[in-house]
Amino acid sequence: DGGITQSPKYLFRKEGQNVTLSCEQNLNHDAMYWYRQDPGQGLRLIYYSQIVNDFQKGDIAEGYSVSREKKESFPLTVTSAQKNPTAFYLCASSPRAHTDTQYFGPGTRLTVL
Amino acid sequence: GQSLEQPSEVTAVEGAIVQINCTYQTSGFYGLSWYQQHDGGAPTFLSYNGLDGLEETGRFSSFLSRSDSYGYLLLQELQMKDSASYFCAVRDSGATNKLIFGTGTLLAVQP
Repeated sequence: DGGITQSPKYLFRKEGQNVTLSCEQNLNHDAMYWYRQDPGQGLRLIYYSQIVNDFQKGDIAEGYSVSREKKESFPLTVTSAQKNPTAFYLCASSPRAHTDTQYFGPGTRLTVL
Repeated sequence: GQSLEQPSEVTAVEGAIVQINCTYQTSGFYGLSWYQQHDGGAPTFLSYNGLDGLEETGRFSSFLSRSDSYGYLLLQELQMKDSASYFCAVRDSGATNKLIFGTGTLLAVQP
């Protein structure tokens, strides 16, 4: 089955610790995205990658970092510099960059204690 | 800047028809998309309108009026499983060309 996987579903960390969220896709999509969703809010773009070894900041990149060493993988690191990291994180992909149809993973709910 | 407005909540009964509106302000415009998200789940793509008019996909239809910067999602023969949040989205025509989402409309379908 083709799709996007994110792990883990729930993640708890202590304040001040960096944490890396996994995102893998086997759809052969060029573009991948990370969004943050807060309760009752829409999706805000953190980072996106149009192609392997390339990525760009989105609207709320501060305190986050990414890498895109493989087409299938786009991990997101939430650093200690992120002031309010507790949120629902969604990874998405699309065949090419910035199409209107994006395919989302199941999300990771991060809670920082 | 870019902005999209949708009602925060809508309630309807099973079997009814409900319309979720979306107005947008953008510096450029390609089209309007709709996504559905069940509580705690992943958003899934529902429809896209690049041109004015109505697009129908089963029980769901979506409408766009570019001159009015307005669109809506129409859900017919509502079922309990339609209870979810619905987001409209537009693509930024600037350098980033990113997808911008509205804050979502929570639809509650009652028996």
